[in-house]
Amino acid sequence: GAVVSQHPSRVICKSGTSVKIECRSLDFQATTMFWYRQFPKQSLMLMATSNEGSKATYEQGVEKDKFLINHASLTLSTLTVTSAHPEDSSFYICSARLAGGTYEQYFGPGTRLTVT
Amino acid sequence: AQSVTQPDIHITVSEGASLELRCNYSYGATPYLFWYVQSPGQGLQLLLKYFSGDTLVQGIKGFEAEFKRSQSSFNLRKPSVHWSDAAEYFCAVGGGANNLFFGTGTRLTVIP
Repeated sequence: GAVVSQHPSRVICKSGTSVKIECRSLDFQATTMFWYRQFPKQSLMLMATSNEGSKATYEQGVEKDKFLINHASLTLSTLTVTSAHPEDSSFYICSARLAGGTYEQYFGPGTRLTVT
Repeated sequence: AQSVTQPDIHITVSEGASLELRCNYSYGATPYLFWYVQSPGQGLQLLLKYFSGDTLVQGIKGFEAEFKRSQSSFNLRKPSVHWSDAAEYFCAVGGGANNLFFGTGTRLTVIP
């Protein structure tokens, strides 16, 4: 149980275009989802917290207009990287917290974004 | 402020040997503590967690961890390492607003 999927697993896009990453909780409802970014050989950096039906809360230094987050249902959150630049190339990981649960988060397999 | 320290960036052990990965945390209240494992190019898998109660917690894949409040530690152990355990290991502490704070990770290499 508590499976989280991400789509796509890898994406290559051209500089200036936008790309959308989906995060789904497959067998549970998630009122809260989190988006992380991970640079090579580094830890996870929390980008934003996404609550179903409300605006996402962004961490300091994360541009909300560049990284658009939508949490339209209890099982789906999306991250759209707008006007992508090569420096946005990274590994993006989402996680989901069980509705009514504690701090435990279940992680998706990640999305490798490469901007050329 | 919450923080997690994993002092060892990289550890190499022989297959069959015992393993201990260190984790120290800083948190103002009773912490929720986690260990996650990440294989290359993959997401994170929860190995075990501590919320309350018995300070020695058992996880998947034969891992265990012990919460020591006096030392602010939550070290991960395994009595006999398998080659498939080679991965990156992250310790995390649960904080306010339901966030998780991650350590910088320890990369485990297993040699035959």
